[in-house]
Amino acid sequence: QKEVEQDPGPLSVPEGAIVSLNCTYSNSAFQYFMWYRQYSRKGPELLMYTYSSGNKEDGRFTAQVDKSSKYISLFIRDSQPSDSATYLCAMSAGITGGGNKLTFGTGTQLKVEL
Amino acid sequence: NAGVMQNPRHLVRRRGQEARLRCSPMKGHSHVYWYRQLPEEGLKFMVYLQKENIIDESGMPKERFSAEFPKEGPSILRIQQVVRGDSAAYFCASSPSTGGTAYFGPGTRLTVT
Repeated sequence: QKEVEQDPGPLSVPEGAIVSLNCTYSNSAFQYFMWYRQYSRKGPELLMYTYSSGNKEDGRFTAQVDKSSKYISLFIRDSQPSDSATYLCAMSAGITGGGNKLTFGTGTQLKVEL
Repeated sequence: NAGVMQNPRHLVRRRGQEARLRCSPMKGHSHVYWYRQLPEEGLKFMVYLQKENIIDESGMPKERFSAEFPKEGPSILRIQQVVRGDSAAYFCASSPSTGGTAYFGPGTRLTVT
């Protein structure tokens, strides 16, 4: 079993829809949770960064973390064609002797259609 | 403020040759991480370095792969005697000395023919 599970998609939605992306994990030591967006053949771009459980909102994006269920989500409101990309969840146990080493999900491919 | 820089962006090597991938972290960042992304897979941690020190190389293959982050200059990921299975995108990330979030470079896409 992988430490981080993420549905690979592809997920196709119409423009303006609310998108829900999620990941589950098994390592209870994870405390920091991130969402990255990766366009084709580009590097991952940090979207959201959350510590421990709770919600965080930034513009059209909302990240939720439920540590009791080991489940994290990213919501995108009013989705746009420019949101079409692969979304990667990532998590870490925090700043330790091993630094801020990230464990990634495999990514969910999202396509927002006109 | 320039982001993380990687070069070359694309690298083609024949089996048995050496590949050298370079990474210049963001200004003010002294922590460098290398990740590998195979087709249809997520990013996998390879190695974590600070200036002149390898801190965690638990994700590095035992043979042919090495990494360094000298006092001056970029971090280097070196792959000796490349094989077709080394074909992948290699990403470098950096974070500030106080830790925190990692910012990724554009990657080097290695193709082994």
